[in-house]
Amino acid sequence: SQKIEQNSEALNIQEGKTATLTCNYTNYSPAYLQWYRQDPGRGPVFLLLIRENEKEKRKERLKVTFDTTLKQSLFHITASQPADSATYLCALAEDSNYQLIWGAGTKLIIKP
Amino acid sequence: SQTIHQWPATLVQPVGSPLSLECTVEGTSNPNLYWYRQAAGRGLQLLFYSVGIGQISSEVPQNLSASRPQDRQFILSSKKLLLSDSGFYLCAWGGLAGGAGELFFGEGSRLTVL
Repeated sequence: SQKIEQNSEALNIQEGKTATLTCNYTNYSPAYLQWYRQDPGRGPVFLLLIRENEKEKRKERLKVTFDTTLKQSLFHITASQPADSATYLCALAEDSNYQLIWGAGTKLIIKP
Repeated sequence: SQTIHQWPATLVQPVGSPLSLECTVEGTSNPNLYWYRQAAGRGLQLLFYSVGIGQISSEVPQNLSASRPQDRQFILSSKKLLLSDSGFYLCAWGGLAGGAGELFFGEGSRLTVL
């Protein structure tokens, strides 16, 4: 069955640097891969969706890449700010007939 | 604009007591509705989803049930809670089927079963 692996260790980044988070999957290449932000005690908030035929997607300071050969998605935050500190979740679906499968998330800490 | 409301935000219940968590969505019609549970350090676990009134799909067999009595209302219930039911419950809605579209989450309900 499909498994999603996100770094369980917190990622500490200096303010102003680029933060890069990794999402690896083990089985089939998903048709859709999504990234969400979750603050403590709150519900996740959608950030970006990338499709299997897309290699890169951008939104303001955010960038997502999708490498089906490596079975990996990278999530980048450029010019990081302390307000970017949160847990970032990766989720993917085989296609629109299937529901999302979620990673456990990576905690990102941006130090001023 | 669309909004999603979920309540109660926190509750502490004894083992064997009933449960009812409610979720309502405003500003959209015929949404796909979801109930998730999130355990510490683990990914979101899909419990139930619904594509329409009275249509409920269960992903995980357990002592929980869900109902959708109205188009924009989704209820998570249990007749007798277990200790293992403790967790953070999240309601969400989406406009597209499966993983094809983004999900919008409520603020969550923290359940502690003692």
